[in-house]
Amino acid sequence: GENVEQHPSTLSVQEGDSAVIKCTYSDSASNYFPWYKQELGKGPQLIIDIRSNVGEKKDQRIAVTLNKTAKHFSLHITETQPEDSAVYFCAASHRYNYGQNFVFGPGTRLSVLP
Amino acid sequence: ETGVTQSPTHLIKTRGQQVTLRCSSQSGHNTVSWYQQALGQGPQFIFQYYREEENGRGNFPPRFSGLQFPNYSSELNVNALELDDSALYLCASRPPGGGSNTGELFFGEGSRLTVL
Repeated sequence: GENVEQHPSTLSVQEGDSAVIKCTYSDSASNYFPWYKQELGKGPQLIIDIRSNVGEKKDQRIAVTLNKTAKHFSLHITETQPEDSAVYFCAASHRYNYGQNFVFGPGTRLSVLP
Repeated sequence: ETGVTQSPTHLIKTRGQQVTLRCSSQSGHNTVSWYQQALGQGPQFIFQYYREEENGRGNFPPRFSGLQFPNYSSELNVNALELDDSALYLCASRPPGGGSNTGELFFGEGSRLTVL
């Protein structure tokens, strides 16, 4: 089955700097890669996603890149703000197989220092 | 539009007891999944329900069971609770598939279960 690894486990950056979180996956059949942000006491919330037919996607300060050959994808946050502090999870899934679950990475705790 | 709601938000049980957690899916969403999130870890898939039937299951024992009702709401039942069952249980719904739908999961805020 699918296995998702995520690094680093914790990340501290100064406000305004960039943050990068990297994930690798094992199942070449996975074709949908979402990133979720989880704030304390809340459920995960989707912040950006990418499908396997796209190499990069950007939404304001957030971007995701995907390298299918190497089976890794990364989240990039630019101009970080204190409200970006949270736990971020990457996940891998097969988009069209709704019986298949999302496999999540272990998470990265991002702290943005003012 | 009402999001995914879960109840109860917190509960404490003792080892060997049984628990039922409830979830109301987001309006128009016909698929519901349950995830277990242990402290400091990512969510782990328990099972998924579509049209009142389980159509996917993760690596969890049979004492984890569920239901989906005609209004797409769902229950997660756990029998013979063990200490390791202490976790945040997340319910997630997704809209009908096909077309441009990416299969995005919409999560509730979870039910935190503590087993003593």
